[in-house]
Amino acid sequence: QQQVKQSPQSLIVQKGGISIINCAYENTAFDYFPWYQQFPGKGPALLIAIRPDVSEKKEGRFTISFNKSAKQFSLHIMDSQPGDSATYFCAAYSGGSNYKLTFGKGTLLTVNP
Amino acid sequence: NAGVTQTPKFRVLKTGQSMTLLCAQDMNHEYMYWYRQDPGMGLRLIHYSVGEGTTAKGEVPDGYNVSRLKKQNFLLGLESAAPSQTSVYFCASSRTGGRKTQYFGPGTRLLVL
Repeated sequence: QQQVKQSPQSLIVQKGGISIINCAYENTAFDYFPWYQQFPGKGPALLIAIRPDVSEKKEGRFTISFNKSAKQFSLHIMDSQPGDSATYFCAAYSGGSNYKLTFGKGTLLTVNP
Repeated sequence: NAGVTQTPKFRVLKTGQSMTLLCAQDMNHEYMYWYRQDPGMGLRLIHYSVGEGTTAKGEVPDGYNVSRLKKQNFLLGLESAAPSQTSVYFCASSRTGGRKTQYFGPGTRLLVL
């Protein structure tokens, strides 16, 4: 049972364009939604996170949009750069889960120069 | 601080052989996790620990055992390796409370022939 569905599986964007990755969840108990970034040969690292009491969070070129009623959230990368090429994972956490995160299956982003 | 380290980085096993993967963290985190990452499957939780001397099953625990004898170390064992256990294994740790951020190690690539 996949509790966090992520799309697309892969994404190719031109330098300077906007990259958008979407996630949807089912469990209404989730109360923390992080995004992790993974470069080839490395472990995932926290990129940005949001709580469901806000609709948007922005850090530099990275923005999370959150729609609680639709149970969806998305990552927007503005002015995408070749250095942003990586795999991105959305995740969700609920307080009663012993600090376990439920991850989406990941999106491989390629930004062409 | 080294953060989360994993040993070894790469290993080749024959079917039926056993091995132990070591994870160490120097951040005094209470929680530790073992994940496996397979193409198109995202990160799947194998086992986790909420403190020294305690372990619990995750999403895909079959064929693996774990031990947390010291707070800073979390061991993942394969008693009788199978080709289906060919994967990249990631260890992560997190502190109690706060942002629930999980910090990942660099991974161990395991090939079972």
